[in-house]
Amino acid sequence: QVQLVQSGAEVKKPGASVKVSCKASGYPFISYGITWLRQAPGQGLDWVGWISAHNGNTIYAQTLQGRATMTTDTSTSTAYMELRSLRSDDTAVYYCARDLDSMMAPGHTPFDYWGQGTLVTVSS
Amino acid sequence: EIVLTQSPGTLSLSPGERATLSCRASQSVTGTYLAWYQQKPGQAPRLLIYAVFSRATAIPDRFSGSGSGTDFTLTISRLEPEDFAVYYCQQYGTSPPTFGQGTKVEIK
Repeated sequence: QVQLVQSGAEVKKPGASVKVSCKASGYPFISYGITWLRQAPGQGLDWVGWISAHNGNTIYAQTLQGRATMTTDTSTSTAYMELRSLRSDDTAVYYCARDLDSMMAPGHTPFDYWGQGTLVTVSS
Repeated sequence: EIVLTQSPGTLSLSPGERATLSCRASQSVTGTYLAWYQQKPGQAPRLLIYAVFSRATAIPDRFSGSGSGTDFTLTISRLEPEDFAVYYCQQYGTSPPTFGQGTKVEIK
C-alpha cells in the first residue's frame, strides 16, 4: 500500500534551518510529484511547493521568499524539504503529499496520499 | 490567488442528519478543479472528493460534491459517528492551489 513516512518533530531557534524528510513506498516514486504543505496551529492548510520526483523540477510558494529548497533521492524514494532563516511564524505541521494525477501540471491536482506530518516549532 | 471562504464555521448536528457545507471562491474556479478533504485531530487530511463531484478511492457514497464557478457544496447525506471532523475545500485550477479555512462538523 502507498505510504509516506515523515521524519520526527523538530525544535529550532529563529534564524536556524530545518530539513524534513518524506520516505515513500508502495508505488513507483519517480512517477508522481510530491507537494509540501503546512498547517500552523489551529489554522488551515498552506501550499509550500512542489517537486517532480522524475526530474527534480521545483515550484515554490512566493510567500516563502526563497527560503525553501526541495530535493529528492530516488535511490531511497525520499523527498526532502529544507527551510532556512526560520521565524516564529514558520511554526507548523509540515506535510508531504502525493499528487493524485501525475499527468497534470504541478499545482493542478489534488493530493491522494499524505505523510503523517512533522511538527516544526521555532522558538527562542 | 483565489480565496476560498467556507461556511458555516461550525455545524452542530446529530448522527443520521444531513450535513451541507459551502465553499465560495473569490473568483471562478478553473474547470472542475475543486476538492474536499476531511481532517480529524492529530491526523493528516484525507481526500474525499476531487473534480467537484468525483469520490476518491474507498470514500462512501454518503459523501457527494456539487457546484460550479464560485459556489461549491459538500453534502454528507447521513452523518455517521466517524464523520465528525473538520472539512476543507481546495481549488487547484489556478496556481497557487489554495484551501478554505475549514468547517468543523461537531456532534450536537
